[in-house]
Amino acid sequence: DIQMTQSPSTLSASVGDRVTITCRASQSISNWLAWYQQKPGKAPKLLIYEASTLETGVPSRFSGSGSGAEFTLTVSSLQPDDFATYYCQQYDSYPRTFGQGTKVEIK
Amino acid sequence: QVQLQQWGAGLLKPSQSLSLTCAVYGGYFSGYSWSWIRQPPGKGLEWIGEIDPSGNTNYNPSLKSRVAISVNTARRQFSLKLTSLSAADTAVYYCARATFYWGQGSLVTVSS
Repeated sequence: DIQMTQSPSTLSASVGDRVTITCRASQSISNWLAWYQQKPGKAPKLLIYEASTLETGVPSRFSGSGSGAEFTLTVSSLQPDDFATYYCQQYDSYPRTFGQGTKVEIK
Repeated sequence: QVQLQQWGAGLLKPSQSLSLTCAVYGGYFSGYSWSWIRQPPGKGLEWIGEIDPSGNTNYNPSLKSRVAISVNTARRQFSLKLTSLSAADTAVYYCARATFYWGQGSLVTVSS
């Protein structure tokens, strides 16, 4: 199985901050990576697919980059609605695997 | 815009089987893979498996001996069956198109 490791596990930030979350794969996954946002009691919501393609309707302050085995999710200016848990997921091979999540908290 | 609505029993006993169904509204049905993912309370996401447009299935090896995913194209529905349940299977279960668009989730509790 491909292991996905996110860092940090928790991130404390303020509104307006630029935040970056890193996701590393245990082997190359080309650009077959997605990012999701999850709020308590809700299903994950797709933000980015193919490592850097913004899903329709997702604010442009979200961006993704990377290829191979190292990827980043950046929020250029954190908004109140962005405090949530973020997951990366590879869909290069089976079984599909997720990172352990990064919780973005209010500082 | 695709919407997924799921249902199934929420409280089960150890050794019983879980059965969940997901209905798909809107969008094209036959050309996509359909997945199940679960999330134990307070924990991360675990991919269970998927069925592709040809009806081929891929399962997580950790669950493969106990899981079956099927599809009813005419009804635009797909289903999950998980057998020999234990407390470790307690989780919110999600259906999804591929893994991109998710249903609302169903809490399944396994307890005697």
